[in-house]
Amino acid sequence: DAGITQSPRHKVTETGTPVTLRCHQTENHRYMYWYRQDPGHGLRLIHYSYGVKDTDKGEVSDGYSVSRSKTEDFLLTLESATSSQTSVYFCAISESARNGYEQYFGPGTRLTVT
Amino acid sequence: KQEVTQIPAALSVPEGENLVLNCSFTDSAIYNLQWFRQDPGKGLTSLLLIQSSQREQTSGRLNASLDKSSGRSTLYIAASQPGDSATYLCAVTVTGNQFYFGTGTSLTVIP
Repeated sequence: DAGITQSPRHKVTETGTPVTLRCHQTENHRYMYWYRQDPGHGLRLIHYSYGVKDTDKGEVSDGYSVSRSKTEDFLLTLESATSSQTSVYFCAISESARNGYEQYFGPGTRLTVT
Repeated sequence: KQEVTQIPAALSVPEGENLVLNCSFTDSAIYNLQWFRQDPGKGLTSLLLIQSSQREQTSGRLNASLDKSSGRSTLYIAASQPGDSATYLCAVTVTGNQFYFGTGTSLTVIP
């Protein structure tokens, strides 16, 4: 299995509070991604990174920000959590176009916003 | 926008049966297609990746095919086992930052 960890694995927070989720990889892959998974929607890309300090928006980026100060860490921040952000969040990594951007996923973080 | 569909949403088969899972996509301009397995409460495990120039990939009892022109991929599972029970997802890669996932087929293999 690819070396990807996510923390925390579960979190319950209140509406309006900031929340930061962490993704850590030991594979030295260039690309990192944050997804959310919701029933009926499949996985949707929130933000991605193509290198240290290089990030861009995905399909559902509103209300989220990211940072990547080191190759191995990619942080997802909910500036002011809302109930619509209750979801399961997955981090993924991929090496490069050379391997077809094959993606490997972390175990997920279940976030509940009350 | 690319749309990915997986039908049926759920499938139940007896152990030992060969089965086919379907994935269709609306735009044939894809970079690759990847099949994943997801167990309840877990992350996604990569099963097979088919590059756009390939027609199929095999790994053990799994065989995935790709027909770009018709916008279809199939995942064939031979001699199914109860341990194969999981949700199977397909994902289309358009570029390094554009991925579109289906909502999955939930497979139950009955002993």
